[in-house]
Amino acid sequence: DIQMTQSPSSVSASVGDRVTITCRASQGVNSWLAWYQQKPGKAPELLIYAASSLQSGVPSRFSGSGSGTDFTLTISSLQPEDFATYFCQQVNSFPYTFGQGTKLEIK
Amino acid sequence: QLQLQESGPGLVKPSETLSLSCTVSGDSISTSTYYWGWIRQSPGKGLEWIGRIYYSGSTYYNPSLKSRVTISVDTSKNQFSLKLSSVTAADTAVYYCARHANIPSWSGSQYMDVWGKGTTVTVSS
Repeated sequence: DIQMTQSPSSVSASVGDRVTITCRASQGVNSWLAWYQQKPGKAPELLIYAASSLQSGVPSRFSGSGSGTDFTLTISSLQPEDFATYFCQQVNSFPYTFGQGTKLEIK
Repeated sequence: QLQLQESGPGLVKPSETLSLSCTVSGDSISTSTYYWGWIRQSPGKGLEWIGRIYYSGSTYYNPSLKSRVTISVDTSKNQFSLKLSSVTAADTAVYYCARHANIPSWSGSQYMDVWGKGTTVTVSS
C-alpha cells in the first residue's frame, strides 16, 4: 500500500494567515491526489482533486500543488470556517489511502 | 441534489456480520460515470478506504479487508450495501458511503465527491 504522511499533524493560525500543509507519498502517485476538509461530526468534503484542481464551489483561497511524491495544500487567507481537519488521499493505485490528517486550530 | 444516506445497526456483536446500506437519492445509481463505495474512520486507524462497486456489480476491495468484505448493489432500490463478516472491536468506526467520480472522465481513478453523513457502528457484546 502507498503510505501518505502529512505534516504538520496540527497547526495553530489566525484569521487572515496563510497556511501550508504538506503531504508526502511513499511512492509516486503522479497527480492522482485529493485534499478533503472535515469538520467535527461531519463527513469529509472534497476540496481539490488531481493535485491542483479546485472542486466546484470551493473558495479560490484554497490551492493545491505538487506531483510525484510531494504535495501541498495552501489556504491563502484563513477564514473562520476554515478551521477543520484536512486529509490528503492518493487515488493512483488500489487500495486508495489517506494521510493521517492535519488539524488546523485557531491561535 | 444528490444525497447519500447510510442505514443499519449501530451495535454489532463480535464475530457477527456488520450490514449497512446506502440509499442514493437525486440521481440514478446506474449512471455510467460513477462508482459507489465505502470508507470508514476510527480514532486508531484514521480514514480507511474499504472498497467500491459499479452498477454492473464489478467490485474492488481493500486487500486488508478483502476476505471479510462484500459490497453489492440493488439498482431497483437505488441502493448499495456493505457486509463485513467476523467483526471485532477493531471494526468499530464511523462508516461512510460515497460516490466515486472519474475525474477526468477518461481516467481510471476516482475521487470521493459526494459523501453520506456517516453512521457509527460499535462492535461490542
